[in-house]
Amino acid sequence: AQTVTQSQPEMSVQEAETVTLSCTYDTSESDYYLFWYKQPPSRQMILVIRQEAYKQQNATENRFSVNFQKAAKSFSLKISDSQLGDAAMYFCAYSGAQGAQKLVFGQGTRLTINP
Amino acid sequence: DTAVSQTPKYLVTQMGNDKSIKCEQNLGHDTMYWYKQDSKKFLKIMFSYNNKELIINETVPNRFSPKSPDKAHLNLHINSLELGDSAVYFCASSSSLTQYNEQFFGPGTRLTVL
Repeated sequence: AQTVTQSQPEMSVQEAETVTLSCTYDTSESDYYLFWYKQPPSRQMILVIRQEAYKQQNATENRFSVNFQKAAKSFSLKISDSQLGDAAMYFCAYSGAQGAQKLVFGQGTRLTINP
Repeated sequence: DTAVSQTPKYLVTQMGNDKSIKCEQNLGHDTMYWYKQDSKKFLKIMFSYNNKELIINETVPNRFSPKSPDKAHLNLHINSLELGDSAVYFCASSSSLTQYNEQFFGPGTRLTVL
């Protein structure tokens, strides 16, 4: 069974600085997808960024980028120029690549932005 | 336009009661899911339907019964509610035909059992 681990229950960063959230996963599959979801206090789950395992290039979405290390099974999220609106729970998630698959989530990291 | 909607958003009820949560998506997706987020914020899959057929049924008490009347709707009925059922329940949808299995989530239903 696949597992996802986020070892940082809480992180904090100064506004405008850069922060990296860690995620490791375990799977025996060779093709899969990885995601970072953001959950602000409104509790809405918002997709931040996704990565296909077969792509070596790291995904980037504006201030958000990932460091995907397939051999190490590591998938960290870097947030540059942190903004107050980035404060939220962040969840790393794994999905198989064949058809409709469940998301397997990590435990989450609560990110605080200090003004 | 709301993509994935859930009703109600909040539900407070007594132990032993039966309640339902409804979910609807207008994205044209063929797959829908129910996830449970517990008090520690941990999210776990409960069920998934593809074209009205149950395809994922995790280890969930049989007091929980999903029903999918059509591809756009997935309801969750809970019998004999227990204190431990208190959680936030999220509905999500995706298309099995797209490349990424990107799942779109509803706003969640916070269930409180007293």
